[in-house]
Amino acid sequence: AQKITQTQPGMFVQEKEAVTLDCTYDTSDPSYGLFWYKQPSSGEMIFLIYQGSYDQQNATEGRYSLNFQKARKSANLVISASQLGDSAMYFCAMIPHRAGANNLFFGTGTRLTVIP
Amino acid sequence: DADVTQTPRNRITKTGKRIMLECSQTKGHDRMYWYRQDPGLGLRLIYYSFDVKDINKGEISDGYSVSRQAQAKFSLSLESAIPNQTALYFCATSDLGGQMKETQYFGPGTRLLVL
Repeated sequence: AQKITQTQPGMFVQEKEAVTLDCTYDTSDPSYGLFWYKQPSSGEMIFLIYQGSYDQQNATEGRYSLNFQKARKSANLVISASQLGDSAMYFCAMIPHRAGANNLFFGTGTRLTVIP
Repeated sequence: DADVTQTPRNRITKTGKRIMLECSQTKGHDRMYWYRQDPGLGLRLIYYSFDVKDINKGEISDGYSVSRQAQAKFSLSLESAIPNQTALYFCATSDLGGQMKETQYFGPGTRLLVL
């Protein structure tokens, strides 16, 4: 079974500072994908970044980077230079790469608040 | 225009009523999904479809049914709504890319309240 754990229900960060949101996962599948999504108060789910389990380099997308440590089964999201618009819920998710496993497994989320 | 749209965006209904939530996409993706989100929880999969003739149950399909009317349309029905189906419902689409990369793109969500 797949399990995604986000241990930080809430985080605060000062504007312009960097913040790390933690995510650990548990899977027996050798190949999988890891995702982070942002959910603002308006409710939509916005795709931020993807990391494949066999990717050699950590993924980056603008101010977002994923600190992937495969041996520790962690996939932390780093947001650099936080902005007020970054205040939202953030969800870590995983999809196994095998036939018949077609849904994303989500963590319970971390609420990030950016302080001016 | 949004790539994935959901209608209605908000709905209030009564216990026992049948309702339908609709999803349309212009991304040209074959795969479509329905999830629900409950307060304090992540999303859980209800149903998914890889093409018009392929429908599969997800983690929590009891009490729901779906219809894939076309590649671009995937609807979710609650045959007899009950209060614990009050939730935020998301439609998502994806296409299997290279190196097994499959990113799911979500619609704006439908807030459903069952009284």
